[in-house]
Amino acid sequence: EPEVTQTPSHQVTQMGQEVILRCVPISNHLYFYWYRQILGQKVEFLVSFYNNEISEKSEIFDDQFSVERPDGSNFTLKIRSTKLEDSAMYFCASSTGLAPLPQFFGPGTRLTVL
Amino acid sequence: AQSVSQHNHHVILSEAASLELGCNYSYGGTVNLFWYVQYPGQHLQLLLKYFSGDPLVKGIKGFEAEFIKSKFSFNLRKPSVQWSDTAEYFCATANQAGTALIFGKGTTLSVSS
Repeated sequence: EPEVTQTPSHQVTQMGQEVILRCVPISNHLYFYWYRQILGQKVEFLVSFYNNEISEKSEIFDDQFSVERPDGSNFTLKIRSTKLEDSAMYFCASSTGLAPLPQFFGPGTRLTVL
Repeated sequence: AQSVSQHNHHVILSEAASLELGCNYSYGGTVNLFWYVQYPGQHLQLLLKYFSGDPLVKGIKGFEAEFIKSKFSFNLRKPSVQWSDTAEYFCATANQAGTALIFGKGTTLSVSS
């Protein structure tokens, strides 16, 4: 069964550094998403992406964040200058269409900002 | 804006006990409701979803959920839990455009054998 994959599984960085989190969505999916979960809190939506542009973003997704689909398979989330409060689990997801079609999630990248 | 709330933070059950996890949603027009599960060390997996039709929805692994419009509820049930059901359970809804999922805080289920 096809799965969403994410790399790395754990990323440790210093405050102020740039990080890029990588995702490979399921191959025939058209919609891509990033969510995050700060330890002990709920899973929060960051951004959705379709047809090479952002279709929706939350208030969390400020100018420090950007997304890109650099080729036909990868989907990346870049945090320009990390802050301590960016420490979280970041989940990538993909779907064939909008809700109610389901989103399929990757295993997550744990980002630790020191 | 759409939201969901889950009442139970941590539920502890013995094997073979029945399970009901509560979820209430705020009504924003279109109804799209989901239950996801996250087993220890694994990714979020869809258990079941509801958007229209029969309000009793059956999902994978013997789970079901009932959409009760008058109560704004979408509770998850399983008649007899197993140790392997130990996991975190998330209720979610979609925003109006269908472009984002909005999750509840999650319920941790611990099943003892």
